Amino acid sequence: AQTVTQSQPEMSVQEAETVTLSCTYDTSESNYYLFWYKQPPSRQMILVIRQEAYKQQNATENRFSVNFQKAAKSFSLKISDSQLGDTAMYFCAFMKPLGIGNQFYFGTGTSLTVIP
Amino acid sequence: ETGVTQSPTHLIKTRGQQVTLRCSSQSGHNTVSWYQQALGQGPQFIFQYYREEENGRGNFPPRFSGLQFPNYSSELNVNALELDDSALYLCASTIAGAELFFGEGSRLTVL
Repeated sequence: AQTVTQSQPEMSVQEAETVTLSCTYDTSESNYYLFWYKQPPSRQMILVIRQEAYKQQNATENRFSVNFQKAAKSFSLKISDSQLGDTAMYFCAFMKPLGIGNQFYFGTGTSLTVIP
Repeated sequence: ETGVTQSPTHLIKTRGQQVTLRCSSQSGHNTVSWYQQALGQGPQFIFQYYREEENGRGNFPPRFSGLQFPNYSSELNVNALELDDSALYLCASTIAGAELFFGEGSRLTVL
């Protein structure tokens, strides 16, 4: 079974500063994907960034980047130049292919507050 | 905007009742998944449908069932509601890719 652990229930950061959210996972799968999703108070989950396990290069999406350590099964999210709109719940997710379609496993989330 | 819409947004039921939640996916998204998100928790996989057939299921009892229709809409049905079924139910669609597109969810309260 796959598990995803987010050990930081809450975090805060000053506007324009950098913050790192932690995530570890456990799996015996060799083919998988990792994601960070953002869930603002509006409730809609929005994809922040995606990492394919077979890629050694860390994914980057504008102000968002990841530190993917496959051997350590660690997948942290770095948010640079934090903005007020970044305030949300952030979920780390592991995805294993199901043949046709996929099954996602989510962590319990980290509530991030950006302070003006 | 993900193009996935869910209804109703909120509803209240009592123990033992049955509920149907609906989801409309993006056109062409032939795979739909349902997730249960309890308060303060991450979403948990209920099941997935591909071309109107269930092709994956999480650790949920048979009283959780679903349907997918040719027009990319789908339903989640829960029978014999229990208090612990109170949660946000999320629908997510995909087109055989690795990204899920989520709706805003249906908040179910069971009294």
